[in-house]
Amino acid sequence: ETGVTQTPRHLVMGMTNKKSLKCEQHLGHNAMYWYKQSAKKPLELMFVYNFKEQTENNSVPSRFSPECPNSSHLFLHLHTLQPEDSALYLCASSQELAISHSPLHFGNGTRLTVT
Amino acid sequence: AQSVTQPDIHITVSEGASLELRCNYSYGATPYLFWYVQSPGQGLQLLLKYFSGDTLVQGIKGFEAEFKRSQSSFNLRKPSVHWSDAAEYFCAVGTQGAQKLVFGQGTRLTINP
Repeated sequence: ETGVTQTPRHLVMGMTNKKSLKCEQHLGHNAMYWYKQSAKKPLELMFVYNFKEQTENNSVPSRFSPECPNSSHLFLHLHTLQPEDSALYLCASSQELAISHSPLHFGNGTRLTVT
Repeated sequence: AQSVTQPDIHITVSEGASLELRCNYSYGATPYLFWYVQSPGQGLQLLLKYFSGDTLVQGIKGFEAEFKRSQSSFNLRKPSVHWSDAAEYFCAVGTQGAQKLVFGQGTRLTINP
């Protein structure tokens, strides 16, 4: 049991579709993150939220829109994506923002394919 | 800015053999170092971490890692691998008070029976 649950596990969408990824953490953590994992590339941090407030947007294109309604839930809204956006999208959480004191806990990811 | 290099993209070892996965980092001050493992279809799971103190750290699943400042390395070791250790392994570095980790590209481990 990971403590961080992501849905759906797999998603196939066309370039004109709008879809959303959902993440829920049951660990009582205050910080949540979206990462993108592409083949043959290191994990890329996309967004960071702390107590529902966005603290980092790592130059992510506007076709990715995050939403954090509370400290337990994180969404990633997707629209007009490109085929190169196909990847595994990982959600993570940590007790506090300074991860030197609070390691990341990851969900199992959503495998996204853009056709 | 800090960076992480995992020189080996893919390693194959026989079950029961010893394992060492290499990780080199670049950072001017004392880093915070992590090893994560990702099994197929899963997210990343923390194996171990180094913040300070004893440079040899023990983790879960029988893994250990040694911080060597002189070599800027944090290699992961296991004396005897099991078939269930087949996975991808990621080294990551953070800094004190940092809000994010920098990950290496990962090393895929295959276990031969």
